[in-house]
Amino acid sequence: EDKVVQSPLSLVVHEGDTVTLNCSYEVTNFRSLLWYKQEKKAPTFLFMLTSSGIEKKSGRLSSILDKKELFSILNITATQTGDSAVYLCAVEGKNSGAGSYQLTFGKGTKLSVIP
Amino acid sequence: EAQVTQNPRYLITVTGKKLTVTCSQNMNHEYMSWYRQDPGLGLRQIYYSMNVEVTDKGDVPEGYKVSRKEKRNFPLILESPSPNQTSLYFCASSLDGSYEQYFGPGTRLTVT
Repeated sequence: EDKVVQSPLSLVVHEGDTVTLNCSYEVTNFRSLLWYKQEKKAPTFLFMLTSSGIEKKSGRLSSILDKKELFSILNITATQTGDSAVYLCAVEGKNSGAGSYQLTFGKGTKLSVIP
Repeated sequence: EAQVTQNPRYLITVTGKKLTVTCSQNMNHEYMSWYRQDPGLGLRQIYYSMNVEVTDKGDVPEGYKVSRKEKRNFPLILESPSPNQTSLYFCASSLDGSYEQYFGPGTRLTVT
C-alpha cells in the first residue's frame, strides 16, 4: 500500500523565520510528487517534482526531491502570516490493479505564522 | 474562467436517502477525481477517472459510485448514505494524472 508521511504535523513560527516541511514516501512505480497549500478552502497547487536534485522555486517557496532516499522538502523563507495554512504532500504512483496512476496524500503539516 | 465546480456546497441529509454531488470542469481535462477529507486522516481518494467511461477505485471507494459519461462531468453518487460518510468532499481535475490537479470548492456533507 502506498504511503506518504509528512512531518511535523504542526508547526508554529514567528514572522521572518525560515521553515522546512518534510515529506517521505513509499510508492509503487513513483511518477511525481506534488505540494499543495490549503487554507480554509480547496488545496491550491504549489509544485510538481519528478526528478531528483532539481530545485523548484516560486518566490519564497522552494522544494526539492530525493528519489534515492524517498523524500522531499518544502522550504519557506522569511515567513509571513499569509503563509499560515496546511501544506499537503501527494505522491503519484501506479495502481498495479488497473495499470493507471493515482495520488496518495499525506496528512499535511499545519503551519501557523504569528506576528 | 478555468474552474471546477461542485454542487451542492453544503448538504445535510438522513441515513439511506440517495444523493448525488455533481462535479464539472471547463478545462477539457481528461483526469478527474473525488476525495474526502477528514480530520486526522487527510485527503483520501475515493474514485478517479482517466477519461470518459474509464473509472477506477481509489483508496476508500466503499459506499460510493461514480460515472463519467461526458468529459466535463464526474458525479459522485451515494446510494445509501451513512453517518460515517459525513465529510468534506473535493472534486479535482487535471490534464492527466501527472499534472497539477485543480480542486473544486468542496462539498460539506452531513449524514444524520
